[in-house]
Amino acid sequence: GEDVEQSLFLSVREGDSSVINCTYTDSSSTYLYWYKQEPGAGLQLLTYIFSNMDMKQDQRLTVLLNKKDKHLSLRIADTQTGDSAIYFCAENPNQAGTALIFGKGTTLSVSS
Amino acid sequence: EAGVTQFPSHSVIEKGQTVTLRCDPISGHDNLYWYRRVMGKEIKFLLHFVKESKQDESGMPNNRFLAERTGGTYSTLKVQPAELEDSGVYFCASSPLSGGPNEQFFGPGTRLTVL
Repeated sequence: GEDVEQSLFLSVREGDSSVINCTYTDSSSTYLYWYKQEPGAGLQLLTYIFSNMDMKQDQRLTVLLNKKDKHLSLRIADTQTGDSAIYFCAENPNQAGTALIFGKGTTLSVSS
Repeated sequence: EAGVTQFPSHSVIEKGQTVTLRCDPISGHDNLYWYRRVMGKEIKFLLHFVKESKQDESGMPNNRFLAERTGGTYSTLKVQPAELEDSGVYFCASSPLSGGPNEQFFGPGTRLTVL
């Protein structure tokens, strides 16, 4: 089946690190993605990782991929109140140009 | 460069009525996708156009939904007649025809409420 699972809520304090976890099912996925949705806005691609990589770092964001366990995580260092949003994990099980399979989204709440 | 735009941003209709949603992709993007998110659930794929052709419509729920992309530019998604379970946020996304990470650019969505 094609299911992407995420925890629904995460609450952190400003300045702490946030870790959002995701599990996916299709081992053929070439790319895995993290999208961010702020209130009233569309989805914004935050970062993606190619399936032959274990880790990707981009400023405050670190993506870890465990292909054996089909586990993806997004770590946000020094979380800010502006990071409050819904974060969606997605996979692309087919070749480039076709549908993304999304999880239900993790709502990150950052308190000051 | 303008992003993906969608119209309307909100629509409230009664069961049995017809609604047409519009999506304008980023200029030059041949791939156009429709997705839907029902409250609290995952974002689900509806269909995929390459230019004016339907590449994949496996996610369309039933024949009450009709999508078109005449001329390969903007796309419309018509729901006729609308049912209560059609309520949700409808997202459109576009991407260029190329290999690589298939970065899809999303619009802000149309929130549809069927009463």
